Amino acid sequence: EPEVTQTPSHQVTQMGQEVILRCVPISNHLYFYWYRQILGQKVEFLVSFYNNEISEKSEIFDDQFSVERPDGSNFTLKIRSTKLEDSAMYFCASSADRLNTGELFFGEGSRLTVL
Amino acid sequence: QKEVEQDPGPLSVPEGAIVSLNCTYSNSAFQYFMWYRQYSRKGPELLMYTYSSGNKEDGRFTAQVDKSSKYISLFIRDSQPSDSATYLCAMSDGQAGTALIFGKGTTLSVSS
Repeated sequence: EPEVTQTPSHQVTQMGQEVILRCVPISNHLYFYWYRQILGQKVEFLVSFYNNEISEKSEIFDDQFSVERPDGSNFTLKIRSTKLEDSAMYFCASSADRLNTGELFFGEGSRLTVL
Repeated sequence: QKEVEQDPGPLSVPEGAIVSLNCTYSNSAFQYFMWYRQYSRKGPELLMYTYSSGNKEDGRFTAQVDKSSKYISLFIRDSQPSDSATYLCAMSDGQAGTALIFGKGTTLSVSS
């Protein structure tokens, strides 16, 4: 069964360092997303991406964040200068449908720990 | 304001019990209502979604949406230990590529 894969599963970094989280969405999907979940908190939307550009972004997704689809398969989230409060689980998701019916397929997440 | 409220529990029930999970919301623009299941340290997995008001059944799971009250429910019949997980409600306005707004999740434990 097709699945969304994410790497790394866990990354530990020092405050101020750049981090790139990688995702391979399901191959025929068109919409790509990043969400994050701080321990014990809600799953929060960061950004959506369609047709090689950002569709929507949240207030969390400030200038320190960027997304890219460098080739036909990978979808990356870059955090330019990490802060302690960026420590969270980051989930990539993809969907095939044009209506946001909620049929998102999530990866298993990348746990980011900022020291 | 896009806000979704969900009682985090935890909720503990014996095997075979009927479980009721609920969310309330404030944004009347929401059209699609979803229930996700999340196991510890895993990504959310879609259980079912409902468009607008009404009921939807899938096996032991029934989702209900009451848009007039801004209230959604998930019922689990004949609960099993394998149902032990965190259940997240989520909603969207249906526009392609827009955010799903999640509740905080209710942690359910089903004991055998």
